[in-house]
Amino acid sequence: GAGVSQSPSNKVTEKGKDVELRCDPISGHTALYWYRQSLGQGLEFLIYFQGNSAPDKSGLPSDRFSAERTGGSVSTLTIQRTQQEDSAVYLCASSRSGGGEIYEQYFGPGTRLTVT
Amino acid sequence: GDSVTQMEGPVTLSEEAFLTINCTYTATGYPSLFWYVQYPGEGLQLLLKATKADDKGSNKGFEATYRKETTSFHLEKGSVQVSDSAVYFCALSARGSQGNLIFGKGTKLSVKP
Repeated sequence: GAGVSQSPSNKVTEKGKDVELRCDPISGHTALYWYRQSLGQGLEFLIYFQGNSAPDKSGLPSDRFSAERTGGSVSTLTIQRTQQEDSAVYLCASSRSGGGEIYEQYFGPGTRLTVT
Repeated sequence: GDSVTQMEGPVTLSEEAFLTINCTYTATGYPSLFWYVQYPGEGLQLLLKATKADDKGSNKGFEATYRKETTSFHLEKGSVQVSDSAVYFCALSARGSQGNLIFGKGTKLSVKP
């Protein structure tokens, strides 16, 4: 079956612009996670969605970052007024469920964001 | 807070050599532990996992044992192949958490023929 897909695969933007990154999870997966992979910080958790519940935003680095998940499926990560330190690969992962039982997270190929 | 520490890379080995990548963790309670692998040009994939003390995760010839007493989860393989060249990440998911993963910095492995 189809895996997790993300778009765009690459995004170059100017400092100060807003960007939107999209994630399509595996069908039927109720849990969705966003992570960031950067040279300086490694892999960091950003935000977690479980079904239609309120998200866990504890990993978001600043209020310039926000995310939504429509209909419990597709998710969009938005970065406002981008800064050079936002340059990273943004990864999305989905799993059958979150919390309680530990299910495998399936990762997408990522979106490489470069802020110039 | 919870954290994962893994050995710095890069690690370069000859084919059929023995591999160990060290991983230790700090966490409240007993987390679940994972090794993820990222092959060149590909996304992160789960390699193996262990959810309680003394569990051994294994896959594709790789093994790791959850050691509570040493808070470790070292990755081992008896005979590496060129195709094992990749970046390996140790990770934990805290007990009672939402399942979000806390990763180590990653260790790049290169296997030469």
